[in-house]
Amino acid sequence: QSALTQPASVSGSPGQSITISCTGTSSDVGGYNYVSWYQQHPGKTPKLMIYDVSTRPSGVSDRFSGSKSGNTASLTVSGLQAEDEADYYCSSYTNSNTLVFGTGTKVAVL
Amino acid sequence: EVQLVESGGGLIQPGGSLRISCAASGFSVSSNYMTWVRQAPGKGLEWVPVMYTGIRTYYADSVKGRFTISRDNSKDTLYLQMNSLRVEDTAVYYCARKSMTTFALDVWGQGTTVTVSS
Repeated sequence: QSALTQPASVSGSPGQSITISCTGTSSDVGGYNYVSWYQQHPGKTPKLMIYDVSTRPSGVSDRFSGSKSGNTASLTVSGLQAEDEADYYCSSYTNSNTLVFGTGTKVAVL
Repeated sequence: EVQLVESGGGLIQPGGSLRISCAASGFSVSSNYMTWVRQAPGKGLEWVPVMYTGIRTYYADSVKGRFTISRDNSKDTLYLQMNSLRVEDTAVYYCARKSMTTFALDVWGQGTTVTVSS
């Protein structure tokens, strides 16, 4: 049950695009299309941003998009805005019928 | 309104026990997969246990044998019984609902803080 690997931090200027990677194994990310992404602002509850690799829940901006290739999933934030500054976590279903989270990425808007 | 509200956190000595609760409104805990996720101070999210509909439960290795997830369907309340607590169990504990259609957590509570310290 090792955590999925994410970069510790990613930064970008307003209006730019950033991409956060999430690397797992064939037992989790690579084996299922059940990758989800969560946004967490300081002191707040995590918020679901993407599920099933690339599907946005109702109400989530279309500036957020997801994809997957092999054992690595990615979250892209386009048109970066100050309000996007937060921590982001990926998550995947695993072949043990459990869930696993990523190590988390802090996004900074310069 | 769909909502989860946790309670029962507090300060407990190492080796002690504590039960935290999560009350659901707007949906039934018996018809949904429910889970607990914790976050240690300054750290990332860690999945703890999940309870599927029926009696199937799974636990993270770090809490297996010490923590037990359960629910009271009549009260629409989820519980986490935590025994043999360790300093490293100190965290904010969130309960969350798994989406009906996929393995994403679509509803989260506000969290309850558990501090294990002498």
